Amino acid sequence: SQQGEEDPQALSIQEGENATMNCSYKTSINNLQWYRQNSGRGLVHLILIRSNEREKHSGRLRVTLDTSKKSSSLLITASRAADTASYFCATDAAGTYKYIFGTGTRLKVLA
Amino acid sequence: ETGVTQTPRHLVMGMTNKKSLKCEQHLGHNAMYWYKQSAKKPLELMFVYNFKEQTENNSVPSRFSPECPNSSHLFLHLHTLQPEDSALYLCASSQDTSTDTQCFGPGTRLTVL
Repeated sequence: SQQGEEDPQALSIQEGENATMNCSYKTSINNLQWYRQNSGRGLVHLILIRSNEREKHSGRLRVTLDTSKKSSSLLITASRAADTASYFCATDAAGTYKYIFGTGTRLKVLA
Repeated sequence: ETGVTQTPRHLVMGMTNKKSLKCEQHLGHNAMYWYKQSAKKPLELMFVYNFKEQTENNSVPSRFSPECPNSSHLFLHLHTLQPEDSALYLCASSQDTSTDTQCFGPGTRLTVL
């Protein structure tokens, strides 16, 4: 089944460092989204990148998409303790509205 | 706040109980979703409603029964649940099912004893 799979499963960095998370998926997509979830809370939409886009920025976030490799990366620059959360990618199957979420990357930013 | 609220935030129930989860969105959206999030598993889509009509039932056991009386409210009725149903249940909404971005509620943490 199509699924976004994040890598690594867990990441621990020092405040001020950059954090990079990767997502791989299996079938063609219309777009890919990244969400953030604080412990035990709902998901918050961060950024959407369409299949015809290669890179997108939003504040300290940078997302890339490589459709030939079926992968995406999320870069958080100059991380802060408040960035500590789980980050999920979600992909849709081309022609459907259903989004499939991965298991997430748990990011911990140490102050 | 995302404009999607869920009540209760925490629920503990026995296997013979009947309870309901409630979701309300204040965004004027027409599509609403129920997801289940279990530990170390991907978020699972359970049900989708678009303009009050159910458009997706992702092979969910009948002990979970959704209800969507209007575009702003979504319920999940629970009965004779199993301990493995313990999870975080998330509600989401979007303008409609052709819209890419979903807004999520804070979730209901359900524990089945």
